[in-house]
Amino acid sequence: GDSVTQMEGPVTLSEEAFLTINCTYTATGYPSLFWYVQYPGEGLQLLLKATKADDKGSNKGFEATYRKETTSFHLEKGSVQVSDSAVYFCALRGNNNDMRFGAGTRLTVKP
Amino acid sequence: DAGITQSPRHKVTETGTPVTLRCHQTENHRYMYWYRQDPGHGLRLIHYSYGVKDTDKGEVSDGYSVSRSKTEDFLLTLESATSSQTSVYFCAISESLGVNTEAFFGQGTRLTVV
Repeated sequence: GDSVTQMEGPVTLSEEAFLTINCTYTATGYPSLFWYVQYPGEGLQLLLKATKADDKGSNKGFEATYRKETTSFHLEKGSVQVSDSAVYFCALRGNNNDMRFGAGTRLTVKP
Repeated sequence: DAGITQSPRHKVTETGTPVTLRCHQTENHRYMYWYRQDPGHGLRLIHYSYGVKDTDKGEVSDGYSVSRSKTEDFLLTLESATSSQTSVYFCAISESLGVNTEAFFGQGTRLTVV
């Protein structure tokens, strides 16, 4: 079945550092890909999404490009802030319409 | 923010007791979901609903039942709670089941079974 694999955390960075969180997927057909963010004590919020190959999703300085050839959707940000500290989830919705999530990556940004 | 309210937000219960969690939405979305979140597993689908009185099982449905008597309410019941059901439970909604459709999440219910 469909699945998502994320890099294990936790990830700790200094403010203004470059962020990459790796995400790869296994799916039949042409899934849509999502990044969700969970701030402490809150539910998941959609951060960005991409619905077809080579699409780039972007929001709040975060970007991710749907790479079908490498089945990847890595999350990047050029300069992280303390307020970016959260748990990030990669997810896909495939042909069976079920949404599958990765295990989540906890990011801590230190001043 | 999508209008999704989960109640209670926190609950401690004893093994063997029944527990019901409630999800209420004000968005009139057709599809509603219950997920559980556990370390190392991300979110896993328990049950979902595609309309009033229409529900189906997800990936980890054993030990759980659901009901949806109104569009806006989706209840998750643990008939006899076990310690393995200690988790954070999230309700989600979506307008459709299309592959491009995102889900919106509630704030979660932290359940502890002692």
